[in-house]
Amino acid sequence: DAGVIQSPRHEVTEMGQEVTLRCKPISGHDYLFWYRQTMMRGLELLIYFNNNVPIDDSGMPEDRFSAKMPNASFSTLKIQPSEPRDSAVYFCASSRGYPLGTQYFGPGTRLTVL
Amino acid sequence: GNSVTQMEGPVTLSEEAFLTINCTYTATGYPSLFWYVQYPGEGLQLLLKATKADDKGSNKGFEATYRKETTSFHLEKGSVQVSDSAVYFCALSDQDRDDKIIFGKGTRLHILP
Repeated sequence: DAGVIQSPRHEVTEMGQEVTLRCKPISGHDYLFWYRQTMMRGLELLIYFNNNVPIDDSGMPEDRFSAKMPNASFSTLKIQPSEPRDSAVYFCASSRGYPLGTQYFGPGTRLTVL
Repeated sequence: GNSVTQMEGPVTLSEEAFLTINCTYTATGYPSLFWYVQYPGEGLQLLLKATKADDKGSNKGFEATYRKETTSFHLEKGSVQVSDSAVYFCALSDQDRDDKIIFGKGTRLHILP
């Protein structure tokens, strides 16, 4: 199995630009998660989906953030407009079952907003 | 609400030393407990887990025992290797409350050759 795939691995953009992060979960997994990791705040759950339906988006910091999962094999996290404080590593993870199903994390996207 | 507290790092040890990373939790129900590990430049991966009191999770020489009386899930390894250098996250989930997995802030471990 290829594991969770994220793209891009690194993104550098300027304040005000739109940023789109992409994720392909492991085939057969019914849950997908988006996390943000920073030195100051640690690992934060932003949103998670079950069978492509958003279940809990209470961790999404503000309306500038949005996430979609149009099908079982693809999800996006969009930031529009981006701000320097959005700089972080964004992880996508997937699991079969939740919360006891083991979460498999992708390699992350390191986002830098100048 | 539920929470996880783990010792702050970084922790620096010499190769073959004994490792303990402390983790305590607060939960209203009967949570499952996890340790995840993050190697440099990678995402987190499950290291071990325990789903009920007195269970011991183990993997790759690491162990942790679910202690309900002390609300703890300390990670131990008898002899660490340089390859164990990583960030370790303690986490809990409380299925009875349909709660999210809550991660601790992570403890960075450096092993010196």
